[in-house]
Amino acid sequence: EAQVTQNPRYLITVTGKKLTVTCSQNMNHEYMSWYRQDPGLGLRQIYYSMNVEVTDKGDVPEGYKVSRKEKRNFPLILESPSPNQTSLYFCASRRTGAQNTIYFGEGSWLTVV
Amino acid sequence: GEDVEQSLFLSVREGDSSVINCTYTDSSSTYLYWYKQEPGAGLQLLTYIFSNMDMKQDQRLTVLLNKKDKHLSLRIADTQTGDSAIYFCAESPTLTGKLIFGQGTTLQVKP
Repeated sequence: EAQVTQNPRYLITVTGKKLTVTCSQNMNHEYMSWYRQDPGLGLRQIYYSMNVEVTDKGDVPEGYKVSRKEKRNFPLILESPSPNQTSLYFCASRRTGAQNTIYFGEGSWLTVV
Repeated sequence: GEDVEQSLFLSVREGDSSVINCTYTDSSSTYLYWYKQEPGAGLQLLTYIFSNMDMKQDQRLTVLLNKKDKHLSLRIADTQTGDSAIYFCAESPTLTGKLIFGQGTTLQVKP
């Protein structure tokens, strides 16, 4: 089954404690991206990756890092989380050029206290 | 710049039609999308329309696209309580390929 898997789905953490949200897809997609969803703001892109070892900033990259060492994985790293990073995070993937077929993960609810 | 705008809230009675509107700015977008998010759940792609189309119908859903005015709408016929959700409009500019979402419209369906 084609899917994008995120972990953890729910996490409460403390300010400054490094955390990683993993994202894995089983469709051999080149393009992967991370979004955060906040009330009244919709979803905003954090980072994206066009292929292995190719990453770039989205609209709200501050406080986040990503890596793309393998095609299937695109982890989101919060080196020093702060309360304003409390949000719902979505990972997405698609084939290059296939803008009509985008797969989303189920979302990761992150609370930073 | 890239921007997608939606009204934040819509309330309808069960059985009525719902119309959710959206405006976008990037005329290069090849596809425009409607996503649905039920409470506590992820995103579900409801439908999308290719930019050279004016209308797309899929069962109870009708999407209208006015490219000249950069206006997109989603009509849900015979709205049911199960349609209560947040609906996101999104565009995907050809140059960047990323999705640009509106703020989301919360649809409340009253019995």
